[in-house]
Amino acid sequence: NAGVTQTPKFQVLKTGQSMTLQCAQDMNHEYMSWYRQDPGMGLRLIHYSVGAGITDQGEVPNGYNVSRSTTEDFPLRLLSAAPSQTSVYFCASSPPPYNEQFFGPGTRLTVL
Amino acid sequence: QQQVKQSPQSLIVQKGGISIINCAYENTAFDYFPWYQQFPGKGPALLIAIRPDVSEKKEGRFTISFNKSAKQFSLHIMDSQPGDSATYFCAANTNAGKSTFGDGTTLTVKP
Repeated sequence: NAGVTQTPKFQVLKTGQSMTLQCAQDMNHEYMSWYRQDPGMGLRLIHYSVGAGITDQGEVPNGYNVSRSTTEDFPLRLLSAAPSQTSVYFCASSPPPYNEQFFGPGTRLTVL
Repeated sequence: QQQVKQSPQSLIVQKGGISIINCAYENTAFDYFPWYQQFPGKGPALLIAIRPDVSEKKEGRFTISFNKSAKQFSLHIMDSQPGDSATYFCAANTNAGKSTFGDGTTLTVKP
């Protein structure tokens, strides 16, 4: 099993550009989540999904969109990149009921 | 509003010593409390977790202590080793698919 995979590993964007961060899992987990990690601020939840077709906002959803058409995939879209979105992004999947998270390797995003 | 408060922010321990990291929560809807370990450049990985109907859970050198009435839980690392040097996150989960993380503790174990 590959677990949780994320692409790309690194990305540099200019302000105003859009892009999609890809996330896939092969563990058949119902739950998937996106986090951003900034120095000293831990992991902040952006969006999460409890199943295909179901998504909800987390703590910091502004500027990001998600969709979940399959159990395996959970892409994160940046609509119009801003320097404040410079961060490391982690995707995670987890099975109910305890929601123990399996994290991907992360995407390091820089917005200039 | 920070729902999970973690302390200390950083911790330096001598090899063989005990490392203790504390977390406190406010939301009584949380029903599962995992700890994650993260090495530089990697994603966090589940280390150990506890349910609120248990006061202590031990796995090898790692122990979680849980105080439901005080809404506090802590991670103890016994016989700390340089290889334990990492960032540790506590988290609190609901059965609705959400996890809330503490801000993390950077542990350095000196040889």
